[in-house]
Amino acid sequence: GQQVMQIPQYQHVQEGEDFTTYCNSSTTLSNIQWYKQRPGGHPVFLIQLVKSGEVKKQKRLTFQFGEAKKNSSLHITATQTTDVGTYFCAVAYNFNKFYFGSGTKLNVKP
Amino acid sequence: DAGITQSPRYKITETGRQVTLMCHQTWSHSYMFWYRQDLGHGLRLIYYSAAADITDKGEVPDGYVVSRSKTENFPLTLESATRSQTSVYFCASSERVGGSYEQYFGPGTRLTVT
Repeated sequence: GQQVMQIPQYQHVQEGEDFTTYCNSSTTLSNIQWYKQRPGGHPVFLIQLVKSGEVKKQKRLTFQFGEAKKNSSLHITATQTTDVGTYFCAVAYNFNKFYFGSGTKLNVKP
Repeated sequence: DAGITQSPRYKITETGRQVTLMCHQTWSHSYMFWYRQDLGHGLRLIYYSAAADITDKGEVPDGYVVSRSKTENFPLTLESATRSQTSVYFCASSERVGGSYEQYFGPGTRLTVT
C-alpha cells in the first residue's frame, strides 16, 4: 500500500489564489521529493528536502519539511495558469525504492 | 542530447501476448526505474536497478520482468499481458550527486491490453 498520503486529491482555484498540497507519513522520512506533471506529460523534479524544518523557495513555490520529518507541504502563491498540473511528493524508505503520493491535481481558472 | 527515451510511445496488444517496453538513457546514470501510472494510484514502482546486472523489485513487480545488461538500457517485459496491466509506463533514471538523487523521467509508454 501507499507509504505516504497526499491531500487534497483535487484543487480548483481562481487565477491569483493560493494553493497548498500536503504529504503525510506515519514514519520518519529521510528526505522527500516533489514533482510536477503537466497534463499529458511526464513528472518533472522540483525539489528535494532533507533537513528537519527545512523551507525552500522557488519563485512563487514554497516547500516545507516538518520538524518531525513526517510531513511536507508545497505552497504556490498567486497561482497562474502555467501552474496547472498534478503535484506529487515522493519518498524513499529504502535506498532508491521510491513511493509516490497519489498526487494533487491543480486546475487554475483564468 | 537525447536524455531518456522510451519506445514505443503507444502500444496496443492482446491478452496473453508478451510485450517489451524499451528505455534508453544517455547520461550513464547508475539508477534506473520503471513505474506505472494509473488513475487514483499516482506512480507505483515496478522494478529498479542500481547498476548494470543489479535489479530489485518495487511495489508492484508481479507479471513483469526486467534486465539491465548495459548501463544505458533498462527494458521491461510483460511476459503474458493482462487487462490489468493497461497503464501508462514511465521509465526514469537517477544519479546520486551529493545527497540528491532527482529522477529524470522519460515521456512514457501508453499500453492498452485488449
